[in-house]
Order: sequence, then C-alpha cells, then structure tokens
Amino acid sequence: GNSVTQMEGPVTLSEEAFLTINCTYTATGYPSLFWYVQYPGEGLQLLLKATKADDKGSNKGFEATYRKETTSFHLEKGSVQVSDSAVYFCALNSNTGGFKTIFGAGTRLFVKA
Amino acid sequence: DAGITQSPRHKVTETGTPVTLRCHQTENHRYMYWYRQDPGHGLRLIHYSYGVKDTDKGEVSDGYSVSRSKTEDFLLTLESATSSQTSVYFCAISESWVGDLRNEQFFGPGTRLTVL
Repeated sequence: GNSVTQMEGPVTLSEEAFLTINCTYTATGYPSLFWYVQYPGEGLQLLLKATKADDKGSNKGFEATYRKETTSFHLEKGSVQVSDSAVYFCALNSNTGGFKTIFGAGTRLFVKA
Repeated sequence: DAGITQSPRHKVTETGTPVTLRCHQTENHRYMYWYRQDPGHGLRLIHYSYGVKDTDKGEVSDGYSVSRSKTEDFLLTLESATSSQTSVYFCAISESWVGDLRNEQFFGPGTRLTVL
C-alpha cells in the first residue's frame, strides 16, 4: 500500500543554518505530495505542495521538489529562524490504493537563537 | 484561517465512559475528517464524511462512531473509552475529495483526550 517515510527527529539547528528534512514515498499511480507544518499547540497547516513530477513547491522560504525517479520530496530552507521551530509532516494524496491522505510520522525541528 | 473549531479542547475521562468530540466549521466545505495523532504514527484517519449523513470508515475506526446531521458539524463518539484511545484528535475539512489530487485539508486546533 501507499506509505510515507520521513527522517526521524528531533532536528536541532542554530539560527540561519540550512535545513533539509528527508521524505520518501511509496505509491501507485501519480500521487500529489504535501508538506504540512504544526506549530506548538496548533493544528496542521499546509506549507507547500506539488502535484506532478519535477514540480517545485515553495512557501515562506521553504521549498521541495517532486522527484519521481527517487520517489522523494525533501523539504529545504536556506536559513532557518527560531520561529520555524515546529513539527513538519510529509504527506501524499493518491487516487489509487484507496482515497485518503497518507501522513508521515512527523519531524520535530528545534531552532536555537 | 479556515473557520474550524473543536470542542472540548482538553478532556480527561475514565475508562468505560462515553465521550463525544465536536467539530464545527464555518467554511461550508463538503468533506470532513477525524484523525488521531500519536507519537511515531503521524496522523491516522478514523472516519470521514462526504456530505450530510454520509460517512465512512478510515484506517483506525474500531471503537469510534461519527455523525453528521448538518454540513457544519461532525461529531466523533467513543462509545466506551479505553486507555488506548488517549490521543490528540484533529478535525479537518476540505472543499474537494482527496481523490482530487490537488486536495488540501484545513485542520482544527485539536482536542487532547486522556482516558484514565
């Protein structure tokens, strides 16, 4: 069945460091891929998405490229801020193997000043 | 921000008691979802609704039931709460069906439920 695997956290970085959070997926067909972010005490909110191979999603300095050949959708940011501290979830939508959104386990990011 | 509220936000209850969580939306979205969030598991779908009185099971539906009598309200009921149902519960809504690959979901603030 469909699945999403993302790197375990927590990830701890200093302010202005480069961020990569790895995400790989298994899915039949051509899924859409998403990154959601959850700030402390809040629900998830969509950060960015990509709906086909080679698309790049971007928002708030974050970006991720849909790589079909490596089945990956890694999240990157060139310079993190303390306010980026949150839990990040990779997710996919697929119209094969059941209609639902599959979420990864989440990666917690701590950014130190 | 999408208008989604959940109530209560926190609840502590005892094993064997019934519990109902409420999700209320003001966006008039057709689709509504209940998820639970547990460490190491991300979010897992409990039940979803595709219209008034139209609901179906998700991947972890055992021990849960839902009802949707109005577009704006989606209720999750634990008929007889167990300690394994201690979790954070999130409601989500979407305009389009998840089979529409562009579908994105909007989440409520969550309910933290503890079953003693």
